[in-house]
Amino acid sequence: NAGVTQTPKFQVLKTGQSMTLQCAQDMNHNSMYWYRQDPGMGLRLIYYSASEGTTDKGEVPNGYNVSRLNKREFSLRLESAAPSQTSVYFCASRRRQGGSNQPQHFGDGTRLSIL
Amino acid sequence: GQQLNQSPQSMFIQEGEDVSMNCTSSSIFNTWLWYKQDPGEGPVLLIALYKAGELTSNGRLTAQFGITRKDSFLNISASIPSDVGIYFCAGPHAGNNRKLIWGLGTSLAVNP
Repeated sequence: NAGVTQTPKFQVLKTGQSMTLQCAQDMNHNSMYWYRQDPGMGLRLIYYSASEGTTDKGEVPNGYNVSRLNKREFSLRLESAAPSQTSVYFCASRRRQGGSNQPQHFGDGTRLSIL
Repeated sequence: GQQLNQSPQSMFIQEGEDVSMNCTSSSIFNTWLWYKQDPGEGPVLLIALYKAGELTSNGRLTAQFGITRKDSFLNISASIPSDVGIYFCAGPHAGNNRKLIWGLGTSLAVNP
């Protein structure tokens, strides 16, 4: 049972290059999320997708785009990478069950460095 | 806006000691989630709390949902080296429970 799978695990880019981070979940979850984690800043939400076909901005969406390709996959794109986007990126998914607050399940992250 | 304040920010303890950390807010939460993040990995859910006053255990870990609904506590008994990591609390955003509010974490180091 793979859970949430992120690819790649590591990537180095030059300023201005573009890149797509991939995320797939095999738990049949409705909602998917992209976070970035920086030292001392905790987890900050970039974008999320409450269900297939919808996407919404989180706290720090500038410089990113997302695509909910199908129920399993949610990708994050950097169109023109900047050094400020150097971070660890986490994808998460969550089952929607009525009005209850089901917890999110995380992948192992993509470590992205932009030079 | 909603915020979660975790304390302490970091802890360095001896193996075998008990650990206590907490998460507080000026806002009411109806769910508290405790996650652990091992170095180089993503956060993993430890305990979920859904009812004020609830006390839930997971092995050596025990978490409580505060009566005021503005705080939660996590205790680890008889710590071992693999307890090392960052512990996060989280709770649903008041206006949109599809999103979570996160604390900044408590970093735990255990000296064998």
